[in-house]
Amino acid sequence: QKEVEQDPGPLSVPEGAIVSLNCTYSNSAFQYFMWYRQYSRKGPELLMYTYSSGNKEDGRFTAQVDKSSKYISLFIRDSQPSDSATYLCAMSDTGRRALTFGSGTRLQVQP
Amino acid sequence: NAGVTQTPKFQVLKTGQSMTLQCAQDMNHEYMSWYRQDPGMGLRLIHYSVGAGITDQGEVPNGYNVSRSTTEDFPLRLLSAAPSQTSVYFCASSHRDRGNEKLFFGSGTQLSVL
Repeated sequence: QKEVEQDPGPLSVPEGAIVSLNCTYSNSAFQYFMWYRQYSRKGPELLMYTYSSGNKEDGRFTAQVDKSSKYISLFIRDSQPSDSATYLCAMSDTGRRALTFGSGTRLQVQP
Repeated sequence: NAGVTQTPKFQVLKTGQSMTLQCAQDMNHEYMSWYRQDPGMGLRLIHYSVGAGITDQGEVPNGYNVSRSTTEDFPLRLLSAAPSQTSVYFCASSHRDRGNEKLFFGSGTQLSVL
């Protein structure tokens, strides 16, 4: 079983929809949680990061962490065609600098 | 500010050939790493370095060598390429922000081994 599980999609939504992307994990030592966005044929770029449990909002994006359920989410409000990309969750624990990535969810926002 | 620069962008090798993937960063980051990305597998860590002269193995190090002679450069060497090494390779440099590791990725090298 992978340490981090992520539904590969593809997830297709109409423009303006609310998108929910999720990851589950098994390592209770993970404390730092990140979401990366990767456009086709590009390197991933950091979108959001959170520490421990709770919510964090940045514009149309909201990241949620529920450590008791080992579940993290990324919500995108008012989705745009420019949001079409692969979204990767990543996490790490306090002692290690290396990140463990999910396999990514491909999102398509239809105009 | 160039960030993380990877070369080449594309490469085709024959089984048994060797090559070096170049990676350079201009952000003065101590931590650098190499990942490979395969369909359905996500990004897997190959090797990493916490500073010049210091390297260590990641999750999938076999078949790859690295060195770190300067802060800026972190090349990845394939000594004898195998078809299983066909993948997209990403170099990243990072710094810690309040305990969180912020990775900055290059644009990747698409490698095919025939």
